[in-house]
Amino acid sequence: AQTVTQSQPEMSVQEAETVTLSCTYDTSENNYYLFWYKQPPSRQMILVIRQEAYKQQNATENRFSVNFQKAAKSFSLKISDSQLGDTAMYFCAFIKDNAGNMLTFGGGTRLMVKP
Amino acid sequence: DTGVSQDPRHKITKRGQNVTFRCDPISEHNRLYWYRQTLGQGPEFLTYFQNEAQLEKSRLLSDRFSAERPKGSFSTLEIQRTEQGDSAMYLCASSSGTSGGITDTQYFGPGTRLTVL
Repeated sequence: AQTVTQSQPEMSVQEAETVTLSCTYDTSENNYYLFWYKQPPSRQMILVIRQEAYKQQNATENRFSVNFQKAAKSFSLKISDSQLGDTAMYFCAFIKDNAGNMLTFGGGTRLMVKP
Repeated sequence: DTGVSQDPRHKITKRGQNVTFRCDPISEHNRLYWYRQTLGQGPEFLTYFQNEAQLEKSRLLSDRFSAERPKGSFSTLEIQRTEQGDSAMYLCASSSGTSGGITDTQYFGPGTRLTVL
């Protein structure tokens, strides 16, 4: 079974600053995908970024980038130039490759962006 | 494309009553998932459909829970004899089910928040 751990229950950052959210996972699989989802207050969960485990290059999406360390089973999210709209719960999630269908989520990190 | 929709958004019920939730996936998505999210926690997988076939169920899905996806379109999740421990957000997600064994991205609906009194 896979487990995903987010060790930072809450974080805060000043607007325009950079923040990094941590995620570690445990699996015996070699092929898998990792995701960061954002869940704003009272709004639905949306995908922020995804990473294929077989790709060495770290994924980036505009102000969002990841640091994927496969050997260490670490998958952190960096948010650059933080905006007030980035305030949300952030969930790290894991799924096996090859028709895997069950996302395994971490417990989440609540991020507050301060003006 | 209107995204995943869920109905109702909120449901308050008394212990022992039955409730049913509906999920409409993104058009032409053939995979549909149900998750449960308790306050302050990450979502937990409940069950998964490929078209109309229910292919996987979590041990969290007790015999009081039943899910269906007739005709491979919308899905319903029914909870019978609700208990206070059933209070949670019930999330639905869908994915396109791309071929070749490539895992595809799940898109989530807004959820149904259930409160059992």
